[in-house]
Amino acid sequence: AQSVTQPDIHITVSEGASLELRCNYSYGATPYLFWYVQSPGQGLQLLLKYFSGDTLVQGIKGFEAEFKRSQSSFNLRKPSVHWSDAAEYFCAVGVRNAGNMLTFGGGTRLMVKP
Amino acid sequence: EAEVAQSPRYKITEKSQAVAFWCDPISGHATLYWYRQILGQGPELLVQFQDESVVDDSQLPKDRFSAERLKGVDSTLKIQPAELGDSAMYLCASSLGVTPDTQYFGPGTRLTVL
Repeated sequence: AQSVTQPDIHITVSEGASLELRCNYSYGATPYLFWYVQSPGQGLQLLLKYFSGDTLVQGIKGFEAEFKRSQSSFNLRKPSVHWSDAAEYFCAVGVRNAGNMLTFGGGTRLMVKP
Repeated sequence: EAEVAQSPRYKITEKSQAVAFWCDPISGHATLYWYRQILGQGPELLVQFQDESVVDDSQLPKDRFSAERLKGVDSTLKIQPAELGDSAMYLCASSLGVTPDTQYFGPGTRLTVL
């Protein structure tokens, strides 16, 4: 069965600093990969997704992520963090030929210092 | 922009009572998902519908949980009787039902069982 690991439970960065959130997955084939963001008490908003092709994908709000097959990773990056980026971020793996079922990581809570 | 609608947003109930949550997916989305998200964790799939049929309910505690999507559009998730451990966020998501696919989430229902 597939699994997703987000090693960092909490991350604090200063406003304007760069950000990288880590995501590692375990799956026997090339998965579909997603990053979602969740503000307190809210649902999940899609930031970006990878299905195939270019391994560097651009998303909303200035986020990007890079799929690295050799490292089974799909890390999320942003060059300059804004205070409004403070939220919880979830990486998810979608399994081909399995009803598009998603498996989520445990999440990384991002805090932004002024 | 079309959104997934859920109601109520918040529900407080006493244990042993019955509760029900409603979800209206994005128009035209054939696939509907119910997830449970315990505080501090990623969402976990409870049940997946393709039109009105259940595709996967392997993680649904069937002794107390039930879900239906009678006309293949909106859906209801019920818990009877509620237990203290059911306190969580219940998220609904929908997707077109193609492969690969993208799930779009509603705002969720926060359930507190006293």
